[in-house]
Amino acid sequence: AQSVTQLDSHVSVSEGTPVLLRCNYSSSYSPSLFWYVQHPNKGLQLLLKYTSAATLVKGINGFEAEFKKSETSFHLTKPSAHMSDAAEYFCVGRPRARGSYGKLTFGQGTILTVHP
Amino acid sequence: ETGVTQTPRHLVMGMTNKKSLKCEQHLGHNAMYWYKQSAKKPLELMFVYNFKEQTENNSVPSRFSPECPNSSHLFLHLHTLQPEDSALYLCASSQDAGGDTDTQYFGPGTRLTVL
Repeated sequence: AQSVTQLDSHVSVSEGTPVLLRCNYSSSYSPSLFWYVQHPNKGLQLLLKYTSAATLVKGINGFEAEFKKSETSFHLTKPSAHMSDAAEYFCVGRPRARGSYGKLTFGQGTILTVHP
Repeated sequence: ETGVTQTPRHLVMGMTNKKSLKCEQHLGHNAMYWYKQSAKKPLELMFVYNFKEQTENNSVPSRFSPECPNSSHLFLHLHTLQPEDSALYLCASSQDAGGDTDTQYFGPGTRLTVL
């Protein structure tokens, strides 16, 4: 079985300060891991993905995430928050096993608020 | 977002109406998905089509009926819905649902309100 846990339901930062959104996973299989962002009344946009190549993954809009197997973590970071980063972020896992047929496991989501 | 489009973006319907949601992907993918996103709940996978074959029905009530006429189009037919079915319905597509490193791309969603 696989589970994805986002450790914070809300994170609040000031513009220009670093962002850290935390995600832990558990999986019977080596997973693919993704971060998606959802702005209000919009669909989910893929930020970045880990599929067992480099453990440090760079995504769009200055975000990156590091896969740490020893800590079973895949935290999302950004050095400097921008007002436009305010949104809900989802950590998502997928077992890399044939036959899983698209069964993603979604975290509960973290709402990021950015203050001026 | 232009890779996966959904229409309509907003829909209000009564419990006795019949309506359909449409999804189209322009990415050359072979798999398409329907998800339900309700307030304060994780996204729920409803249906998966891979190479036009339905591979997943996640115990969805029969008042929701999917149709996938080809790899680029996916419909969700709705009839006799309940108010608790009000939600954001998201469509996604990917290259191959069974692929080891498959990645899903989402549309903007249809906001459904059932009165």
